[in-house]
This record gives sequence, C-alpha cells and structure tokens, in this order.
Amino acid sequence: NAGVTQTPKFQVLKTGQSMTLQCAQDMNHNSMYWYRQDPGMGLRLIYYSASEGTTDKGEVPNGYNVSRLNKREFSLRLESAAPSQTSVYFCASQYNDQPQHFGDGTRLSIL
Amino acid sequence: AQKVTQAQTEISVVEKEDVTLDCVYETRDTTYYLFWYKQPPSGELVFLIRRNSFDEQNEISGRYSWNFQKSTSSFNFTITASQVVDSAVYFCALSDRGSTLGRLYFGRGTQLTVWP
Repeated sequence: NAGVTQTPKFQVLKTGQSMTLQCAQDMNHNSMYWYRQDPGMGLRLIYYSASEGTTDKGEVPNGYNVSRLNKREFSLRLESAAPSQTSVYFCASQYNDQPQHFGDGTRLSIL
Repeated sequence: AQKVTQAQTEISVVEKEDVTLDCVYETRDTTYYLFWYKQPPSGELVFLIRRNSFDEQNEISGRYSWNFQKSTSSFNFTITASQVVDSAVYFCALSDRGSTLGRLYFGRGTQLTVWP
C-alpha cells in the first residue's frame, strides 16, 4: 500500500518550460489536493478535486492547471514556468472528512 | 475568512525541557477541525492529531499533549521532556466544513530545534 505517490521528487526547469507533476493514490479516496510550500509561508492550496472529473481553484491557482482524469490520479501542470513557482509541491488525498494523507513532495526549481 | 497564526517562528530548547507551540485560529464556522502536522528534516508531512470543534477535551499521547480552548481560539501543542528527534517544523491547520469540504488552512509553522 503506497499511499500517495508523487513524481518526480526533484526537477529543475528553465523559465518558460512546461512541466506536469504527477500524483496518484491507491486508497480509493474521493478528494485530492495540490499545495505549495514556500519558506516561512506554510502550505497554500493551489487546486483541489472533490471527486473524479471535478476541480476547483484554491488560494493560489494562477499559473497552474490541473486534471483529475480518474479517481486515482490528479496532475498539476505548469504551462510556462516562472521563477516564482520555485517551491515544494505536495499532493494530498482524503476520504470524506478523514485527515488528509500527503505525498512526500516534489522539489521544483525554476531558473 | 479562515486564518491560522503561529506566532513563534523558531524555538530552541535543550533536551528534556518541555516546550509549548502556540496556535491561534480564526473562523466563522461553528463546525471545524483543527490539526497539527510535523515536518521533519526529511520533508514529509506527518499527521499528529485532529480535533473536532465540538470536543474541547484535552488530549495526551505519550510525550505529546494538546490544549484546545474555544474561548481563546487556541489549540496549543506541548512536548514534554523533548528529544532531539522532536526537531522539526510543526504546522497547525484548520479545516472548515463548508462547501469546500476538507480544505486545509495552514499556519506558517514553528521550527523547533532540540539540542542534546
């Protein structure tokens, strides 16, 4: 039982490049979330998906798109990466109102 | 609007000292959850506790204890007899129970360093 798996774990991009961060969960959870963590800022919600086929904006959605193609997977796409998107990205999943399970994070650097 | 404030940015203690991490929250909801997460140097987020807004009973788990007071909108976390392995960033978080079910609002975290 892997829980929440994020790929890749590390990535370096150049400004303007595109990138998709992958997240998959094997717990049959209905809700999934993408957060970013910046130094001194805690975690902030980018997008979330309450169920397969639905997505909603969180606190900081600008510059990102998401896809919830099936119940297991929730991807985050940067169409044109900017240095301000350098961050650690966490994916989480949740069953009803149980505590969220987090992946180990993706460290993304944009030069 | 939901807001979580962790006023202590960094705390340093010597092993075996007790330490309390403060958390103050703001919400208009009457039903909500409060959480504490630990982020060790390895970077993952470890769930520690969840508290329902209707349950103000304090909780103890080994060396960890939590004090929830709705009157002061606080949910403080105490580590008794701290150990080096407790060194981590600790996040307090709030979850509302409205239309955005499960959405977490995090504080900025408190970096705890325990010296041997």
